[in-house]
Amino acid sequence: SAVISQKPSRDICQRGTSLTIQCQVDSQVTMMFWYRQQPGQSLTLIATANQGSEATYESGFVIDKFPISRPNLTFSTLTVSNMSPEDSSIYLCSVKTPSVSGNTIYFGEGSWLTVV
Amino acid sequence: QKEVEQDPGPLSVPEGAIVSLNCTYSNSAFQYFMWYRQYSRKGPELLMYTYSSGNKEDGRFTAQVDKSSKYISLFIRDSQPSDSATYLCAMSAGGGNKLTFGTGTQLKVEL
Repeated sequence: SAVISQKPSRDICQRGTSLTIQCQVDSQVTMMFWYRQQPGQSLTLIATANQGSEATYESGFVIDKFPISRPNLTFSTLTVSNMSPEDSSIYLCSVKTPSVSGNTIYFGEGSWLTVV
Repeated sequence: QKEVEQDPGPLSVPEGAIVSLNCTYSNSAFQYFMWYRQYSRKGPELLMYTYSSGNKEDGRFTAQVDKSSKYISLFIRDSQPSDSATYLCAMSAGGGNKLTFGTGTQLKVEL
């Protein structure tokens, strides 16, 4: 497994501002992902963070709203831009690593954002 | 129709009971199946990972996959209060990068 650290763990943000979430992994991983978990909803994939190139976004998510950086194999950031109350959510970093069962996906503790 | 359906519960059981959690899915391309446990205000923790149909056991947990029925289950034996959490099923197709999650079942194990 991998140890995944996210910062901040939680924050209260003003409408219209932007916040950058950091994700640090304790080992080099090829695949890193960002998910969103809105209140009462399940996890939804925002994008795959690609090292050295632009992130790959899922339908409904765009780079202008959720810019992502991946400067190396252990670190990524997700920015939530021009926030509105609808962006209040848990944002989760995840990585895919080899295991005895095959390639499995692990999650960080999440960053809990409340937009007021 | 959602790709993955999961009863949200809440499910309340007495300590020591056998718990059965289930998900159905519609996408026949799903090949990898996972169960995550999520405690309140924590990130999801991987419990079980299976590929293809059949059973897989790990301690008190058994994961079951029936691809012909598009149905997966997680059984928890001798349930404990510490098992109280939300259980999320997740699945993926092909290379297994994108996970599609159920909405989660909230479980409470009472003393």
